[in-house]
Amino acid sequence: DIVMTQSPLSLPVTPGEPASISCRSSQSLMHSNGYNYLEWYLQKPGQSPQVLIYLGSIRASGVPDRFSGSGSGTDFTLKISRVEAEDVGVYYCMQDVQSPRTFGPGTRVDI
Amino acid sequence: QVQLQESGPGLVKPSETLSLTCTVSGGSISSYFWSWIRQPPGKGLEWIAYINYSGSTNYNPSLKSRVTISIDTSKNQLSLTLSSVTAADTAVYYCARHDSVVIAATRAYPLDSWGQGTLVTVTS
Repeated sequence: DIVMTQSPLSLPVTPGEPASISCRSSQSLMHSNGYNYLEWYLQKPGQSPQVLIYLGSIRASGVPDRFSGSGSGTDFTLKISRVEAEDVGVYYCMQDVQSPRTFGPGTRVDI
Repeated sequence: QVQLQESGPGLVKPSETLSLTCTVSGGSISSYFWSWIRQPPGKGLEWIAYINYSGSTNYNPSLKSRVTISIDTSKNQLSLTLSSVTAADTAVYYCARHDSVVIAATRAYPLDSWGQGTLVTVTS
């Protein structure tokens, strides 16, 4: 199985300031088609996860443009350009280049 | 807007079989892939298995010997059974839909809709 790691595991943030989360995989997530099969999810307190980013850098429908994903191969980053209060929760990266899909341990973002 | 609702017993005894149903409303179950994912209390997410509208399945090897998923297109429902449960199977169980997105002739299947989840506790 591909092992996903995230850092930091806990991230205190200040509204209006930027924030960044790193995700690393034990194997390359780049498919032969040139795309990285890496997704980011946010689980807000008491809610189900919601998709933010897929294919490493493409924002899902309805996701604010303050969220951006980057990276390739085994190293990926989720950036929030200006944190808002509603962005608190646990952020997970997930790979789906290879079965079984595997998630990172999560990064808890608190204000 | 598609909605997913998991249902099933909240308590299961050790060694017994856990059975859950996910009812899809506001959209057809056909033409999509569907996954089951679980989250032990206070812990992270674990993908269990997926199934497509034609019944093709893919299981997490760590659970494959104990898991069966199925789809009933006539009822717009998915089902999950997990046999020989232990306390380690205590978790919130989610069903989720895979969107099908085409980007420059490439397909991606992000999990775009999730149920609210149902807590299953394994206890005697």
